[in-house]
Amino acid sequence: NAGVTQTPKFRVLKTGQSMTLLCAQDMNHEYMYWYRQDPGMGLRLIHYSVGEGTTAKGEVPDGYNVSRLKKQNFLLGLESAAPSQTSVYFCASKQGTQPQHFGDGTRLSIL
Amino acid sequence: DQQVKQNSPSLSVQEGRISILNCDYTNSMFDYFLWYKKYPAEGPTFLISISSIKDKNEDGRFTVFLNKSAKHLSLHIVPSQPGDSAVYFCAASHSGAGSYQLTFGKGTKLSVIP
Repeated sequence: NAGVTQTPKFRVLKTGQSMTLLCAQDMNHEYMYWYRQDPGMGLRLIHYSVGEGTTAKGEVPDGYNVSRLKKQNFLLGLESAAPSQTSVYFCASKQGTQPQHFGDGTRLSIL
Repeated sequence: DQQVKQNSPSLSVQEGRISILNCDYTNSMFDYFLWYKKYPAEGPTFLISISSIKDKNEDGRFTVFLNKSAKHLSLHIVPSQPGDSAVYFCAASHSGAGSYQLTFGKGTKLSVIP
Protein backbone atom coordinates (compact mmCIF):
# COMPACT_ATOMS: atom_id res chain seq x y z
CA ASN A 1 0.00 0.00 0.00
CA ALA A 2 1.90 3.04 -1.30
CA GLY A 3 -0.36 5.78 0.13
CA VAL A 4 0.42 9.08 -1.59
CA THR A 5 3.11 8.95 -4.29
CA GLN A 6 4.62 12.06 -5.87
CA THR A 7 6.49 12.05 -9.16
CA PRO A 8 9.19 13.22 -9.74
CA LYS A 9 11.08 13.60 -6.45
CA PHE A 10 13.50 16.19 -7.83
CA ARG A 11 13.52 18.39 -10.89
CA VAL A 12 15.52 21.33 -12.20
CA LEU A 13 13.87 23.60 -14.76
CA LYS A 14 14.90 26.68 -16.68
CA THR A 15 12.79 29.81 -16.47
CA GLY A 16 9.93 29.62 -18.95
CA GLN A 17 9.83 25.84 -19.19
CA SER A 18 6.69 23.93 -18.35
CA MET A 19 6.18 20.77 -16.37
CA THR A 20 3.60 18.67 -14.60
CA LEU A 21 3.88 17.20 -11.12
CA LEU A 22 1.93 14.02 -10.54
CA CYS A 23 0.28 12.95 -7.32
CA ALA A 24 -1.24 9.49 -7.08
CA GLN A 25 -3.10 8.00 -4.11
CA ASP A 26 -4.29 4.43 -3.72
CA MET A 27 -6.60 4.96 -0.74
CA ASN A 28 -9.72 5.93 -2.73
CA HIS A 29 -9.72 9.35 -1.06
CA GLU A 30 -12.14 12.02 -2.26
CA TYR A 31 -10.13 15.09 -1.30
CA MET A 32 -6.71 15.99 -2.69
CA TYR A 33 -4.48 19.02 -2.11
CA TRP A 34 -1.33 20.64 -3.44
CA TYR A 35 0.89 22.68 -1.09
CA ARG A 36 4.19 24.43 -1.40
CA GLN A 37 6.70 24.84 1.40
CA ASP A 38 9.36 27.53 1.33
CA PRO A 39 12.23 28.03 3.83
CA GLY A 40 10.96 29.35 7.16
CA MET A 41 7.38 29.03 5.99
CA GLY A 42 4.59 26.65 6.72
CA LEU A 43 2.77 24.77 4.00
CA ARG A 44 0.64 27.00 1.80
CA LEU A 45 -2.29 25.63 -0.17
CA ILE A 46 -2.06 26.08 -3.95
CA HIS A 47 -5.12 24.24 -5.26
CA TYR A 48 -7.37 21.48 -4.01
CA SER A 49 -10.05 19.07 -5.21
CA VAL A 50 -13.11 17.78 -3.37
CA GLY A 51 -13.72 14.99 -5.86
CA GLU A 52 -13.05 13.67 -9.35
CA GLY A 53 -13.53 16.38 -11.97
CA THR A 54 -13.47 19.25 -9.45
CA THR A 55 -10.74 21.76 -8.61
CA ALA A 56 -10.60 24.98 -6.60
CA LYS A 57 -8.06 27.68 -5.76
CA GLY A 58 -6.22 27.80 -2.50
CA GLU A 59 -4.15 30.55 -0.91
CA VAL A 60 -1.41 30.84 -3.58
CA PRO A 61 -2.84 29.63 -6.93
CA ASP A 62 -1.19 32.10 -9.34
CA GLY A 63 1.10 30.50 -11.92
CA TYR A 64 -0.29 27.00 -11.38
CA ASN A 65 -3.04 24.89 -12.92
CA VAL A 66 -4.44 21.57 -11.76
CA SER A 67 -6.55 18.72 -13.06
CA ARG A 68 -8.35 15.80 -11.42
CA LEU A 69 -9.50 13.67 -14.34
CA LYS A 70 -9.23 10.47 -12.30
CA LYS A 71 -10.07 10.11 -8.64
CA GLN A 72 -6.68 8.71 -7.77
CA ASN A 73 -4.58 11.36 -9.56
CA PHE A 74 -4.13 15.09 -8.98
CA LEU A 75 -1.83 16.90 -11.42
CA LEU A 76 -0.13 20.24 -10.77
CA GLY A 77 1.07 22.15 -13.83
CA LEU A 78 3.48 25.02 -14.25
CA GLU A 79 2.93 26.54 -17.67
CA SER A 80 5.87 28.95 -17.62
CA ALA A 81 8.15 28.32 -14.66
CA ALA A 82 9.56 31.28 -12.72
CA PRO A 83 12.37 31.35 -10.12
CA SER A 84 9.76 32.31 -7.48
CA GLN A 85 8.26 28.85 -7.94
CA THR A 86 11.39 27.18 -6.63
CA SER A 87 10.02 25.25 -3.67
CA VAL A 88 9.17 21.88 -2.21
CA TYR A 89 5.73 20.74 -3.32
CA PHE A 90 3.60 18.40 -1.22
CA CYS A 91 0.49 16.57 -2.21
CA ALA A 92 -2.03 15.31 0.31
CA SER A 93 -5.26 13.36 0.27
CA LYS A 94 -8.02 12.66 2.78
CA GLN A 95 -11.34 10.97 3.21
CA GLY A 96 -14.17 12.33 5.29
CA THR A 97 -13.05 13.63 8.66
CA GLN A 98 -9.76 11.74 8.67
CA PRO A 99 -6.52 13.78 8.71
CA GLN A 100 -4.76 14.67 5.49
CA HIS A 101 -2.16 12.12 4.45
CA PHE A 102 0.93 13.55 2.72
CA GLY A 103 3.38 12.38 0.10
CA ASP A 104 7.13 12.85 0.50
CA GLY A 105 7.35 15.91 -1.70
CA THR A 106 8.84 17.09 -4.99
CA ARG A 107 11.83 19.39 -4.76
CA LEU A 108 11.70 21.80 -7.70
CA SER A 109 14.44 24.27 -8.63
CA ILE A 110 13.94 26.86 -11.33
CA LEU A 111 17.03 28.57 -12.70
CA ASP B 1 -2.08 38.04 7.62
CA GLN B 2 -0.91 34.91 9.37
CA GLN B 3 -3.90 33.10 10.82
CA VAL B 4 -1.89 30.37 12.55
CA LYS B 5 1.25 31.40 14.38
CA GLN B 6 4.05 29.38 15.89
CA ASN B 7 6.24 32.02 17.45
CA SER B 8 9.12 29.76 18.43
CA PRO B 9 11.15 28.68 15.39
CA SER B 10 13.15 26.23 17.48
CA LEU B 11 13.19 24.47 20.84
CA SER B 12 15.83 22.33 22.55
CA VAL B 13 14.93 19.89 25.31
CA GLN B 14 16.84 17.27 27.27
CA GLU B 15 15.86 13.66 26.74
CA GLY B 16 13.28 12.57 29.31
CA ARG B 17 12.01 16.09 29.97
CA ILE B 18 8.79 17.67 28.76
CA SER B 19 8.59 19.45 25.39
CA ILE B 20 5.93 22.13 25.04
CA LEU B 21 5.19 23.53 21.60
CA ASN B 22 2.82 26.46 21.29
CA CYS B 23 0.46 27.70 18.61
CA ASP B 24 -1.85 30.70 18.39
CA TYR B 25 -4.62 31.38 15.90
CA THR B 26 -6.62 34.43 14.95
CA ASN B 27 -9.54 33.07 12.92
CA SER B 28 -12.46 32.37 15.27
CA MET B 29 -14.05 30.14 12.61
CA PHE B 30 -11.36 27.48 13.12
CA ASP B 31 -12.86 24.53 14.97
CA TYR B 32 -10.46 21.67 14.36
CA PHE B 33 -6.75 21.66 15.07
CA LEU B 34 -3.99 19.25 14.19
CA TRP B 35 -0.31 18.73 14.83
CA TYR B 36 1.93 17.27 12.16
CA LYS B 37 5.49 16.08 12.55
CA LYS B 38 7.99 16.35 9.73
CA TYR B 39 11.39 14.76 9.28
CA PRO B 40 13.83 16.05 6.63
CA ALA B 41 13.13 14.84 3.09
CA GLU B 42 9.80 13.35 4.15
CA GLY B 43 6.23 14.55 4.07
CA PRO B 44 4.41 15.70 7.20
CA THR B 45 2.81 12.92 9.22
CA PHE B 46 -0.25 13.36 11.36
CA LEU B 47 0.40 13.30 15.08
CA ILE B 48 -2.68 14.32 17.05
CA SER B 49 -5.76 16.49 16.70
CA ILE B 50 -8.39 18.20 18.79
CA SER B 51 -11.87 19.47 18.12
CA SER B 52 -13.05 22.79 19.53
CA ILE B 53 -15.61 20.98 21.66
CA LYS B 54 -12.76 19.57 23.74
CA ASP B 55 -9.98 21.22 25.70
CA LYS B 56 -7.63 18.25 25.87
CA ASN B 57 -6.75 15.18 23.83
CA GLU B 58 -4.20 12.57 24.77
CA ASP B 59 -2.42 9.89 22.77
CA GLY B 60 0.38 8.12 24.57
CA ARG B 61 3.22 10.56 25.20
CA PHE B 62 1.44 13.34 23.26
CA THR B 63 -1.20 15.66 24.68
CA VAL B 64 -2.77 18.65 22.98
CA PHE B 65 -4.46 21.38 25.01
CA LEU B 66 -6.86 23.92 23.55
CA ASN B 67 -7.76 27.25 25.13
CA LYS B 68 -10.50 28.68 22.92
CA SER B 69 -10.86 31.96 24.77
CA ALA B 70 -7.16 32.66 24.28
CA LYS B 71 -7.12 31.13 20.78
CA HIS B 72 -4.14 29.09 21.88
CA LEU B 73 -3.15 25.47 21.71
CA SER B 74 -0.12 23.58 22.88
CA LEU B 75 1.43 20.18 22.29
CA HIS B 76 3.08 18.44 25.22
CA ILE B 77 5.48 15.55 24.71
CA VAL B 78 6.34 13.60 27.85
CA PRO B 79 8.91 12.16 28.11
CA SER B 80 10.79 13.57 25.15
CA GLN B 81 12.91 11.14 23.14
CA PRO B 82 15.69 11.76 20.58
CA GLY B 83 13.41 10.33 17.86
CA ASP B 84 11.02 13.20 18.53
CA SER B 85 13.53 15.60 16.98
CA ALA B 86 11.67 17.01 13.97
CA VAL B 87 9.76 20.05 12.79
CA TYR B 88 6.27 20.28 14.26
CA PHE B 89 3.52 22.09 12.39
CA CYS B 90 0.31 23.32 13.92
CA ALA B 91 -2.66 23.38 11.51
CA ALA B 92 -6.25 24.53 11.73
CA SER B 93 -9.41 24.08 9.73
CA HIS B 94 -12.99 25.26 9.58
CA SER B 95 -15.29 22.25 9.26
CA GLY B 96 -18.11 24.36 7.85
CA ALA B 97 -16.07 25.20 4.76
CA GLY B 98 -16.62 21.70 3.39
CA SER B 99 -13.20 21.46 1.79
CA TYR B 100 -11.30 20.57 4.97
CA GLN B 101 -8.56 23.01 3.98
CA LEU B 102 -5.74 23.31 6.46
CA THR B 103 -3.96 26.52 7.40
CA PHE B 104 -0.48 25.82 8.71
CA GLY B 105 1.85 27.63 11.05
CA LYS B 106 5.51 28.08 10.11
CA GLY B 107 6.65 25.21 12.28
CA THR B 108 8.83 24.70 15.33
CA LYS B 109 12.03 22.67 15.07
CA LEU B 110 12.35 20.48 18.15
CA SER B 111 15.75 19.09 19.10
CA VAL B 112 15.82 16.48 21.85
CA ILE B 113 19.31 16.21 23.30
CA PRO B 114 20.40 12.77 24.53
